[in-house]
Amino acid sequence: GQQLNQSPQSMFIQEGEDVSMNCTSSSIFNTWLWYKQDPGEGPVLLIALYKAGELTSNGRLTAQFGITRKDSFLNISASIPSDVGIYFCAGPPIIQGAQKLVFGQGTRLTINP
Amino acid sequence: GAGVSQSPSNKVTEKGKDVELRCDPISGHTALYWYRQSLGQGLEFLIYFQGNSAPDKSGLPSDRFSAERTGGSVSTLTIQRTQQEDSAVYLCASSLAVQYEQFFGPGTRLTVL
Repeated sequence: GQQLNQSPQSMFIQEGEDVSMNCTSSSIFNTWLWYKQDPGEGPVLLIALYKAGELTSNGRLTAQFGITRKDSFLNISASIPSDVGIYFCAGPPIIQGAQKLVFGQGTRLTINP
Repeated sequence: GAGVSQSPSNKVTEKGKDVELRCDPISGHTALYWYRQSLGQGLEFLIYFQGNSAPDKSGLPSDRFSAERTGGSVSTLTIQRTQQEDSAVYLCASSLAVQYEQFFGPGTRLTVL
């Protein structure tokens, strides 16, 4: 089945630094979603992308839908302590009627004060 | 309005026992999903309900797993004869029909001793 590969698996940064992470697939996706998960909580949707080449921002977060439709990027500017958590990319597989999401393995972000 | 709720938040059981996990979706959401998240991993799709259509059970790992959704709202995930490898966080999500923006509950952490 379709799989999503996220990198890096973990990041250790200083507060105030910018963050960049990406997600790639061997097959195309028509939708890319980025979620953040805090400890003990379910994932929360950050940004949804529906069109190849689309660039969307949500506050300090910016995500792009790659033009090949096989990758997506998430950037966080001027990181703050509450950005700590696990970031997941996700998307629905290209199967007619499929509503389930395939998730990447996540990027764990740690911020050093 | 209220988000997706799940109960119990934690469940510890002995190997071989049956367990039931409950999910209350967001009111008005016709689609409901169950995922499993093992420690440090991404989310694994289990089953999906959409309105009155037959559920997509393609992600259930074995016939010990089953789920039902009564009255198009509350859902119960049942695991029979639990095994230690069933230990994980079980997450429920809901969405409006034909949308991919799934909203997650906080999850049930299942520990099988």
